[in-house]
Amino acid sequence: AQSVTQLDSQVPVFEEAPVELRCNYSSSVSVYLFWYVQYPNQGLQLLLKYLSGSTLVKGINGFEAEFNKSQTSFHLRKPSVHISDTAEYFCAVSEAQGAQKLVFGQGTRLTINP
Amino acid sequence: NAGVTQTPKFQVLKTGQSMTLQCAQDMNHEYMSWYRQDPGMGLRLIHYSVGAGITDQGEVPNGYNVSRSTTEDFPLRLLSAAPSQTSVYFCASSYYPIGGYEQYFGPGTRLTVT
Repeated sequence: AQSVTQLDSQVPVFEEAPVELRCNYSSSVSVYLFWYVQYPNQGLQLLLKYLSGSTLVKGINGFEAEFNKSQTSFHLRKPSVHISDTAEYFCAVSEAQGAQKLVFGQGTRLTINP
Repeated sequence: NAGVTQTPKFQVLKTGQSMTLQCAQDMNHEYMSWYRQDPGMGLRLIHYSVGAGITDQGEVPNGYNVSRSTTEDFPLRLLSAAPSQTSVYFCASSYYPIGGYEQYFGPGTRLTVT
């Protein structure tokens, strides 16, 4: 079974500052890793995903994440945030083989202050 | 192309009542799933389906039933509502069986059980 831990429940940052949202996972099998974003009162949408290959993956809205197998981490970063990035961010993992079941972390609420 | 649609958007039930949350997708996705979102707990998988006539339990299935008679529809039934089922419910769909594809989420149903 897999598990995901998002190390910060809330992250406040100032506009145009860099941000890192941390995610660690646990699994005994190969996994795929995802970051989803949820804007207020909406469903989730995919930011980026890691399946294989380059450990640095780029997503939408200027976000990127780095897969670190030895540290079982998949941290999300953005060099300069905007007010519109205010949202809740979820890290998720699924087995590389088999069904598409996702296991989510608890979520990190990113608040951008002007 | 409407994507994933969910009805109703909001619902208030009394303890013991039953109801069905509707979910439909028009992307011809074989994989569909139901999650519940509770504060501080991320999203947890209730039930999922890998095709018409095939369903299976997720992490928190108790108190919920599902069926999949068509590729498009995946309703979630609450048999006898309890206050612990107060939550936001999301339906999602994806390609199957190859893993790693994006899951598309509906806008959610906010359910309150009094």
